[in-house]
Amino acid sequence: AQSVAQPEDQVNVAEGNPLTVKCTYSVSGNPYLFWYVQYPNRGLQFLLKYITGDNLVKGSYGFEAEFNKSQTSFHLKKPSALVSDSALYFCAVRVRSSGNTPLVFGKGTRLSVIA
Amino acid sequence: NAGVTQTPKFQVLKTGQSMTLQCAQDMNHEYMSWYRQDPGMGLRLIHYSVGAGITDQGEVPNGYNVSRSTTEDFPLRLLSAAPSQTSVYFCASSLIRAGGGNEQFFGPGTRLTVL
Repeated sequence: AQSVAQPEDQVNVAEGNPLTVKCTYSVSGNPYLFWYVQYPNRGLQFLLKYITGDNLVKGSYGFEAEFNKSQTSFHLKKPSALVSDSALYFCAVRVRSSGNTPLVFGKGTRLSVIA
Repeated sequence: NAGVTQTPKFQVLKTGQSMTLQCAQDMNHEYMSWYRQDPGMGLRLIHYSVGAGITDQGEVPNGYNVSRSTTEDFPLRLLSAAPSQTSVYFCASSLIRAGGGNEQFFGPGTRLTVL
């Protein structure tokens, strides 16, 4: 079975400060990891993914995430937060397989960037 | 491309009524799925499909039916609505490639209220 934990329901950060949204995962095998963002009353938008190779993945809007196999983590980061980054963030995992296994999501972390 | 479209955007039902939530994609994606989003619960998978004629159950399938007669469409049927089915429903699609590293594209959602 695969699962994702986002240990923080809410993260508050001041504009201009670095931000981190935490994610840990559990899979039987090698993972594919994803981050999505959801703005109010909208669907989810893809931010970035880890497939293989470099553990530091860069994505949309200046976000990046670091895959750490030993700690089974995939934390989302941004060097300088913007007020417009305020949204709900979801981490998701899929075990590496034939490609048709479902994506499992965490419960989400609400990021609030304060001006 | 329109991407993933969902209709209706909003719906109010009475307990016991039935309805179909529509989902369509124009990206020729093999994989389609339905999620429900509830506060504090994240996204939970209801049903998914890896191609026309093939469907499977997710984490919370009870009370919902699906079928996949074409690549483009993946409707979700509520046979007898219950207040516990009040939620926001999202449809998503993706390509299927070896390993499963493809991100999902999400529709805008349907907000359903069952009285």
